[in-house]
Amino acid sequence: DQQVKQNSPSLSVQEGRISILNCDYTNSMFDYFLWYKKYPAEGPTFLISISSIKDKNEDGRFTVFLNKSAKHLSLHIVPSQPGDSAVYFCAASASGDYKLSFGAGTTVTVRA
Amino acid sequence: NAGVTQTPKFQVLKTGQSMTLQCAQDMNHEYMSWYRQDPGMGLRLIHYSVGAGITDQGEVPNGYNVSRSTTEDFPLRLLSAAPSQTSVYFCASSYSGGRTEAFFGQGTRLTVV
Repeated sequence: DQQVKQNSPSLSVQEGRISILNCDYTNSMFDYFLWYKKYPAEGPTFLISISSIKDKNEDGRFTVFLNKSAKHLSLHIVPSQPGDSAVYFCAASASGDYKLSFGAGTTVTVRA
Repeated sequence: NAGVTQTPKFQVLKTGQSMTLQCAQDMNHEYMSWYRQDPGMGLRLIHYSVGAGITDQGEVPNGYNVSRSTTEDFPLRLLSAAPSQTSVYFCASSYSGGRTEAFFGQGTRLTVV
C-alpha cells in the first residue's frame, strides 16, 4: 500500500506558465518531504525539501508547500522552462527512520 | 567527482541466472540503499544499509541479497533471476538516510527473459 501518492501521472504546461505538482501522504509519522527530478536514462536528482515545522520552502523557481492537516504537499515551478520537462517524484520520511517512501511520479512536459 | 557509480548500465539475464549489480560511492556516506523503478510504481526500496556491516530489508526484498563490507560499496545480488525482476535499479547514498539529500547512480536496466 503506497503511503505517498501522486495521483496525476502527467502534466502538460506551456513555457512561462506555472506548473503545480501534487502529492498526498497517508502516514502521519512522516515529517520530512523531498522532491526529486528525473530525466530519461539518468538517476533522480534532489530538487527541494521541506520539514514539517515549515509550511513553505522556496528555492529559485521552485516552491514547496506543505499542508499537514490535509497530509498534502505541492511543488510549484514558476516560470516553467523546457528544461523542466522530466519526471518528478515526491518522497517522505519519518523521524528516526532512515527509509524514504516515494510516490509513483508525475511526468511534466513543458510546451514551447 | 564520481558520486555514485553503478555497473553495469544494461544487462539481460535468463531466468534462473544469478548476477551482482555493483554500486560504489566516494562521498563517505554511511547510508546506502537500492531501489527498483517500475512503471506506475515509483521507486520502491529493496534493501538499505546504515553503515558497514549493517543491512536491512526494505519494501520489496524477496529475491535479492545485499552485503556492506566497506563504506564505499553496496552490491545487490539477484540469486535466481525471474521475469518479475525486470526493472530499472537505482543505488543511492546519503549522509543521513531519508533526512538528507540522496545521491543516485545512473541506474541499471535489467531484463530477465
